[in-house]
Amino acid sequence: AAGVIQSPRHLIKEKRETATLKCYPIPRHDTVYWYQQGPGQDPQFLISFYEKMQSDKGSIPDRFSAQQFSDYHSELNMSSLELGDSALYFCASSLTRPGYGYTFGSGTRLTVV
Amino acid sequence: AQTVTQSQPEMSVQEAETVTLSCTYDTSENNYYLFWYKQPPSRQMILVIRQEAYKQQNATENRFSVNFQKAAKSFSLKISDSQLGDTAMYFCAFITSGTYKYIFGTGTRLKVLA
Repeated sequence: AAGVIQSPRHLIKEKRETATLKCYPIPRHDTVYWYQQGPGQDPQFLISFYEKMQSDKGSIPDRFSAQQFSDYHSELNMSSLELGDSALYFCASSLTRPGYGYTFGSGTRLTVV
Repeated sequence: AQTVTQSQPEMSVQEAETVTLSCTYDTSENNYYLFWYKQPPSRQMILVIRQEAYKQQNATENRFSVNFQKAAKSFSLKISDSQLGDTAMYFCAFITSGTYKYIFGTGTRLKVLA
């Protein structure tokens, strides 16, 4: 069965650089979510999209932006990277049906040096 | 505020034995959904089991079952016949009906010992 695909799996960037993370949801899933998980921490919600429109926003820094494209894939753009941005970034997709549950991708591990 | 509390940062269990992971939550909503997610060393987040708050019957998924106590706002996960592959971080989470944003607990690190 198709899963949520994230790319790249690993990314190393220097401070003040820009990074772009990509997420390809499960076909026919209409909602995409982005989470950030710092070392030893629980996942923190960043932002979500429903049918290509931003549906909810969490603790996403102003330096980050995201969008969902016509083919439903989503990109998380991160500028002026800081050391504290080093984390595992998860994308998840779901159907907008109560209690459906998310399917998470394998995550992108971003290391800022 | 809506919160999820997992009071056991780490637990260990012998292979083939049973272990229970605790989770309590706080919400003023009446309609919500509860989940347990597993995050093995690969860091993949895997859905283990879900429970609808309006259902009194506890959810069961093979060796995994929950003890859902709505009045006490408690949602514990029982793993029977523990296997080495169950070694992982386990996150409790809930979503209120009408929103699609999980509230996660801080996780319980479970180690299954051979």
